[in-house]
Amino acid sequence: NAGVMQNPRHLVRRRGQEARLRCSPMKGHSHVYWYRQLPEEGLKFMVYLQKENIIDESGMPKERFSAEFPKEGPSILRIQQVVRGDSAAYFCASSRAGGLRVYEQYFGPGTRLTVT
Amino acid sequence: TQLLEQSPQFLSIQEGENLTVYCNSSSVFSSLQWYRQEPGEGPVLLVTVVTGGEVKKLKRLTFQFGDARKDSSLHITAAQPGDTGLYLCAGGENNDMRFGAGTRLTVKP
Repeated sequence: NAGVMQNPRHLVRRRGQEARLRCSPMKGHSHVYWYRQLPEEGLKFMVYLQKENIIDESGMPKERFSAEFPKEGPSILRIQQVVRGDSAAYFCASSRAGGLRVYEQYFGPGTRLTVT
Repeated sequence: TQLLEQSPQFLSIQEGENLTVYCNSSSVFSSLQWYRQEPGEGPVLLVTVVTGGEVKKLKRLTFQFGDARKDSSLHITAAQPGDTGLYLCAGGENNDMRFGAGTRLTVKP
């Protein structure tokens, strides 16, 4: 089984541009989570989505950031008009919808965003 | 929001030493997970504990879930340089999980 896939692995954007980060969950998983991590820090929760629904976006900035998980295709984290402070590693995780081990999240390798 | 506190924040030891790191909360969790993250990689799930008082062993790693399901510990015996990394605990209800800030472990050869 393929694990959680994220692309691109590295993304460089100039200030003011848009960044699009993609995440394909593990097979059989329909819940997706996005986290942000600054160097030498822990994971900061951003948003939790199911297919076509945002369940919890309490960790996501109100402006410039948005996330979606369409019926078909990967989940997308979009950052508009990026600023230098957006530079970080962004991790996606996925989990099952229900049943046993619903709480276990499996992580992708991350996208490292650098804003110049 | 359930908060998880991990201690110590940083730990640097010599190869061969034993160590214990902690994950504490004022909330009761239905389950708790431990992850290890190496530099440049995503976190990797090590173990899940669900029953109060549960002890799980993974080679030299021993995980314990507190009787009240509010805290957990990870003990590593005879640490090796390959154990170096960020150890994260996560807890919550069903799909609503939150992470602690982690313990950053360095094992020197």
